[in-house]
Amino acid sequence: SQTIHQWPATLVQPVGSPLSLECTVEGTSNPNLYWYRQAAGRGLQLLFYSVGIGQISSEVPQNLSASRPQDRQFILSSKKLLLSDSGFYLCAWRALREGTEAFFGQGTRLTVV
Amino acid sequence: SQQGEEDPQALSIQEGENATMNCSYKTSINNLQWYRQNSGRGLVHLILIRSNEREKHSGRLRVTLDTSKKSSSLLITASRAADTASYFCATDEGGGADGLTFGKGTHLIIQP
Repeated sequence: SQTIHQWPATLVQPVGSPLSLECTVEGTSNPNLYWYRQAAGRGLQLLFYSVGIGQISSEVPQNLSASRPQDRQFILSSKKLLLSDSGFYLCAWRALREGTEAFFGQGTRLTVV
Repeated sequence: SQQGEEDPQALSIQEGENATMNCSYKTSINNLQWYRQNSGRGLVHLILIRSNEREKHSGRLRVTLDTSKKSSSLLITASRAADTASYFCATDEGGGADGLTFGKGTHLIIQP
């Protein structure tokens, strides 16, 4: 069966520090991978998606970047965090074919102080 | 950009009652999905309804879709305290890999 791992669960980082959140998927090949951000009491905002190794599409210009060094690994990064980067970050995957559901990681609560 | 908009934003009912949440969207879709999120956790897929379907059931869940009105509803029957969570609709416009578009969610509280 497929599983998705996302870590860490919580993170407190000072302004200006770097960020690296990692997400890995097991039990499937060539998944579409996604990073979402969820502000308190709001819906999910799509940040990045990837259809293959090294292929990253950005939905929202911002202080963050994403990379996919391996088929089932998706990394969200920042060189210098801003206060506004605080939020709940969710990684997800979907199968390549249309009409499928998304499977989410447990999320990372990032607080920039 | 936000596509689905859930209504109400918050709903509090007694255990055993039925809970109905609505979702409206703006563009044509391939399918619409409902997800549940427990506080501080990831989202869990509940049910998917395709654009050519009007109603779908899964256990205590009933989803309807009206593409002419661009709206969907999620009904949870015989609610339980464990149903307390946020519920999100998500639209899939199809044809691309750019993911689902989520609404802001309905926060459902089931009072024991």
